[in-house]
Amino acid sequence: DTEVTQTPKHLVMGMTNKKSLKCEQHMGHRAMYWYKQKAKKPPELMFVYSYEKLSINESVPSRFSPECPNSSLLNLHLHALQPEDSALYLCASSQDSGSYNEKLFFGSGTQLSVL
Amino acid sequence: AQSVTQLDSHVSVSEGTPVLLRCNYSSSYSPSLFWYVQHPNKGLQLLLKYTSAATLVKGINGFEAEFKKSETSFHLTKPSAHMSDAAEYFCVVSDQNSGYSTLTFGKGTMLLVSP
Repeated sequence: DTEVTQTPKHLVMGMTNKKSLKCEQHMGHRAMYWYKQKAKKPPELMFVYSYEKLSINESVPSRFSPECPNSSLLNLHLHALQPEDSALYLCASSQDSGSYNEKLFFGSGTQLSVL
Repeated sequence: AQSVTQLDSHVSVSEGTPVLLRCNYSSSYSPSLFWYVQHPNKGLQLLLKYTSAATLVKGINGFEAEFKKSETSFHLTKPSAHMSDAAEYFCVVSDQNSGYSTLTFGKGTMLLVSP
């Protein structure tokens, strides 16, 4: 199994809602990532988890809250988002985050619209 | 600091003709370089990866790239384009940042393939 599975594929939420994005991989990877991608732009790194611990937070607003319950799962909890947060949210995983030539496996993303 | 410049935002080719997507990089260290492809509404898929073993790297779907240190380039080529190659292509550089692998994406090149 070489897949990273993200759910839901699409999400529409109001600015007062609370929702969660989910990501799952069963490749035994120990590093997991959240990226944000605006239309016609490259992905931007948000968070990196290494061995289930948050290792990088790229100054992401607190309305985004990541969680890594175990080595296979990664969640992104959303609360009080703004319309400008509408984007494709991509999850990725790699064998390890400590090696700079790691290959990342990406999920298909969750297309989020904030109304 | 590392950076990537993709020289063309759009490249248009006819089916069956060669493809050239250009990428120049800047890195303080000996970098790893990647090309990822993203089809519409999909996640990113790794095409190929350079990690100093060989300067000519062969990837999936007939793509290859040549690392030229003197020109700081890592251009992506394919001898004959197929309609299914139409997608966004990202050149990516990675070097160590505080012990963690972090990717720097180029802005992307949209490949358009006409019949």
